Amino acid sequence: EAEVAQSPRYKITEKSQAVAFWCDPISGHATLYWYRQILGQGPELLVQFQDESVVDDSQLPKDRFSAERLKGVDSTLKIQPAELGDSAMYLCASSLDARTSESYEQYFGPGTRLTVT
Amino acid sequence: QQQVKQSPQSLIVQKGGISIINCAYENTAFDYFPWYQQFPGKGPALLIAIRPDVSEKKEGRFTISFNKSAKQFSLHIMDSQPGDSATYFCAASANTGFQKLVFGTGTRLLVSP
Repeated sequence: EAEVAQSPRYKITEKSQAVAFWCDPISGHATLYWYRQILGQGPELLVQFQDESVVDDSQLPKDRFSAERLKGVDSTLKIQPAELGDSAMYLCASSLDARTSESYEQYFGPGTRLTVT
Repeated sequence: QQQVKQSPQSLIVQKGGISIINCAYENTAFDYFPWYQQFPGKGPALLIAIRPDVSEKKEGRFTISFNKSAKQFSLHIMDSQPGDSATYFCAASANTGFQKLVFGTGTRLLVSP
């Protein structure tokens, strides 16, 4: 069964350092999402890509966070500099095509647990 | 602003019992309502989803009941098993060009043996 891959699974970094997360969506999925999940809460959307284009980054703290999906396949989310409040699970998800209701289902990867010290 | 309100926050059910989790929404443009199951240290997994044109959808032991007029939907887990112990999230999205999910706050379910 196809899965969304994420790496690393765990990351510990010091405050003010840079950190990057990688995601490889299910093959053929045009839409890719990055979410942040704080312990005990539901996932919150950070950025959404349709192919290589950003279609929603309204909740992305753009002063320190950046995301790219250069070839419309895998994606990288970067934080620079990391702050203590960034400690959370960062989840990547993909769907076949967010523009068509028949292709809405989002499939999540295992996430990257970030701890900022 | 919380767009999807989920309750209860936690739930303990005896093995074999029925687990019921409720969600309410305000945005009448929502047209897709999935439920996700998440185990500790794992990403959420899609469990079951419903659209407003039906009032109920059943897949195995899992049933979604949908009340459009009340703007509420619920997840029922029949014959609950210890393996169902997880956190459950309801979500909703509107057809506004690109689907964007809004999640509830989650319900931690514990099924006791």
